[in-house]
Amino acid sequence: GAVVSQHPSRVICKSGTSVKIECRSLDFQATTMFWYRQFPKQSLMLMATSNEGSKATYEQGVEKDKFLINHASLTLSTLTVTSAHPEDSSFYICSANLDNSYEQYFGPGTRLTVT
Amino acid sequence: QKEVEQNSGPLSVPEGAIASLNCTYSDRGSQSFFWYRQYSGKSPELIMSIYSNGDKEDGRFTAQLNKASQYVSLLIRDSQPSDSATYLCAVNSDNQGGKLIFGQGTELSVKP
Repeated sequence: GAVVSQHPSRVICKSGTSVKIECRSLDFQATTMFWYRQFPKQSLMLMATSNEGSKATYEQGVEKDKFLINHASLTLSTLTVTSAHPEDSSFYICSANLDNSYEQYFGPGTRLTVT
Repeated sequence: QKEVEQNSGPLSVPEGAIASLNCTYSDRGSQSFFWYRQYSGKSPELIMSIYSNGDKEDGRFTAQLNKASQYVSLLIRDSQPSDSATYLCAVNSDNQGGKLIFGQGTELSVKP
């Protein structure tokens, strides 16, 4: 149980375009999902907490208009990187926790390269 | 002061030895503690959770928690080369909701 998927696993896009990343909980319902970014040789950085049916909560310094999060159902959250630039190239990982548990289960990640 | 601190390593141990990974945290209100393993280029994988003082064993892994000292550790017995990865300590506090605060991770290298 507690399987989280992400799509796509890798994406290359041109500077100025937008990219959407999907995060799905496959065998459980997730009221809350989390989006992280990880640069090479660095630790995870929490970008935002995605709440089903309400607005996401963004961490300090993360531009909510650039990183659009939608959590329209209990099994799906999406992150859209708008007007991507090379500095947005990173490993984006989502996670979800089971209700009544703080254990977070991570998706396999999406490697974004902006050229 | 960082909220969750780990030695970045690399920690190098010979195959078959015990690897000891340490983590300290600053928030005394922390209630839940986790160890994740992350292989290079992959996402983190939950390997242990611990909620009360003492030891918790799962196979070759033992998590140890000391809330008075604000210290949590992970022991890996009979270390194998396949254990070579970065180990992330994560902590949750009641006032953080479901958020986890991650340490920087300790890189472990198990030499054959």
